[in-house]
Amino acid sequence: EAQLVQSGAEMKKPGESLKISCQGSEYRFTSYWIAWVRQMPGKGLEWMGIIYPGDSDTRYSPSFQGQVTISVDKSISTTYLQWSSLKASDTAIYYCARLSGVLGSDFDYWGQGTLVTVSS
Amino acid sequence: QSVLTQSPSASGTPGQRVTISCSGSGSNIGSTTVNWYQQLPGTAPKPLIYRDNQRRSGVPDRFSGSKSGTSASLAISGLQSEDEGDYYCAAWDDSLNGVVFGGGTKLTVL
Repeated sequence: EAQLVQSGAEMKKPGESLKISCQGSEYRFTSYWIAWVRQMPGKGLEWMGIIYPGDSDTRYSPSFQGQVTISVDKSISTTYLQWSSLKASDTAIYYCARLSGVLGSDFDYWGQGTLVTVSS
Repeated sequence: QSVLTQSPSASGTPGQRVTISCSGSGSNIGSTTVNWYQQLPGTAPKPLIYRDNQRRSGVPDRFSGSKSGTSASLAISGLQSEDEGDYYCAAWDDSLNGVVFGGGTKLTVL
């Protein structure tokens, strides 16, 4: 069965940079889109963007364009979500999720989530 | 403000049937399929229903999905205490060229 394993919780200060990861296993990694989803404390799910590991085609939600960078390293079946300068408002749980097929909203596997806390 | 609109809360007693609704527009629910996710407290979202009404493997048949026009619904029959959590609908939006989620419905089993 497919699995997505995310990197551990992070505690950072405003202005610092951060890169969190999501490693896929037990499936053909390059053939499925991987999305990143934000969940702020006590709030709902927000789609941030998506990447196709096969050719690195990346799409961003307008709300997150320019705020984060999504990338991939096919050689280790890992996708990344990166910030160059964190803000307190980036405090949230970030999930990666695999899209089951073509571009859409059918995510069939989810990572366990990475808690990012940004505080001075 | 979410693009897809869900009631913030729903409740029922054990054994009852509850329905959670999700309202959108022609650029999302009206033109593509809807998916539903369950998020139990402190856990990652779990896929429940895909392509409007298909249950994911392992999901009890107490859960069912439907869609009509620009609205979708998730019904849970034979409510159990372990169903308590948050439920989210999701769809692709052609105008935004991305995925939109509903704001989530918090289900309480009384």
